[in-house]
Amino acid sequence: TQLLEQSPQFLSIQEGENLTVYCNSSSVFSSLQWYRQEPGEGPVLLVTVVTGGEVKKLKRLTFQFGDARKDSSLHITAAQPGDTGLYLCAGARPTYKYIFGTGTRLKVLA
Amino acid sequence: IAGITQAPTSQILAAGRRMTLRCTQDMRHNAMYWYRQDLGLGLRLIHYSNTAGTTGKGEVPDGYSVSRANTDDFPLTLASAVPSQTSVYFCASSERRSRLDLAKNIQYFGAGTRLSVL
Repeated sequence: TQLLEQSPQFLSIQEGENLTVYCNSSSVFSSLQWYRQEPGEGPVLLVTVVTGGEVKKLKRLTFQFGDARKDSSLHITAAQPGDTGLYLCAGARPTYKYIFGTGTRLKVLA
Repeated sequence: IAGITQAPTSQILAAGRRMTLRCTQDMRHNAMYWYRQDLGLGLRLIHYSNTAGTTGKGEVPDGYSVSRANTDDFPLTLASAVPSQTSVYFCASSERRSRLDLAKNIQYFGAGTRLSVL
């Protein structure tokens, strides 16, 4: 059973455009992490959000944790080709095992 | 600085054969994890270890076993491989599984092992 659904699954946009990736669940998570993965490599952590409603910014990336801690979004402003990759959300369950989302594959065209 | 090293990088294996995927970390992390990554399903936890000498089952443990004889090594064994185990396998480690200090829950991943079972 997949507890974390990400949308869209694939996204291809032009350089300079904005985009939002969603991570949704019916379960509550104690914290949620966002990772980026490039081909042939393992995921690399971008951010951890903990508090319901929390917003964190990492340069052009804005991460938000839903008020009920069941969902999250990642917004990228003025996307660049270097943002290309697979974006994964991961929610921490009470036993502190992480459940990963299905992933969003982003391609930014120059 | 190596971080997490996985071996082999890729492997083609006949069904029914036994295979051990190796994972070594040099960060002295307490917790280690094995995931498999399949298209459309994301990363799924196979087994984990909170500290040397202990292991636990994740979401998809059937057909896999692990051991944690020391802090650095966390091998994953497929006793009798089947085609459904074709996947990319990632090993990860974190400093500590801590509810109070999320900074210690950062997972560092290896580069993965691409396994094909025919």
